[in-house]
Amino acid sequence: DGGITQSPKYLFRKEGQNVTLSCEQNLNHDAMYWYRQDPGQGLRLIYYSQIVNDFQKGDIAEGYSVSREKKESFPLTVTSAQKNPTAFYLCASSFKTTSTVNSPLHFGNGTRLTVT
Amino acid sequence: AQSVTQPDIHITVSEGASLELRCNYSYGATPYLFWYVQSPGQGLQLLLKYFSGDTLVQGIKGFEAEFKRSQSSFNLRKPSVHWSDAAEYFCAVGARGTYKYIFGTGTRLKVLA
Repeated sequence: DGGITQSPKYLFRKEGQNVTLSCEQNLNHDAMYWYRQDPGQGLRLIYYSQIVNDFQKGDIAEGYSVSREKKESFPLTVTSAQKNPTAFYLCASSFKTTSTVNSPLHFGNGTRLTVT
Repeated sequence: AQSVTQPDIHITVSEGASLELRCNYSYGATPYLFWYVQSPGQGLQLLLKYFSGDTLVQGIKGFEAEFKRSQSSFNLRKPSVHWSDAAEYFCAVGARGTYKYIFGTGTRLKVLA
């Protein structure tokens, strides 16, 4: 079955360490997204990518970095510059059409990152 | 600015009762509208979407939603709630001409047996 795989499900890191969250999809989607979810705040966009080797900052990109070397993969690195990294991180993908936002997002099951 | 408001943070209903979850949006044109459901510790699953046409849309799991342009609303409804519907529900808007989705803050549904 096609889908989005995020790993690991739980991740623990010490403050000051960079950490990379994995996101892989086999849906043949062009567009991929990273969201951060905090209680009571909904989903906030970190980065998105419409095509391989290209990505754009979302609303809260500071302290994060991404790469898109393959269509299937869109890893997110949480750097030590991110002031409050503890959160639930969701990866999503969609088809790219003339207007991508009319294509529903498909989500992975998330990675819960705890930084102490 | 574009925004999505879900006025109810928590809603509790009895099993078998009807349900309506509210969603209001602020957007200059007719947006693309979505409802998603999230079980604890999981990702979001699409319930239904509205792009154009019939303003009453049917989704999965017996849910429906009605787009009301005059009220800038896209409320989610279900005639009879099941205990398995307990989850968090998110309304989202797709901003035309961008690649951006805007999510509401969610409504957590509790179902009493």
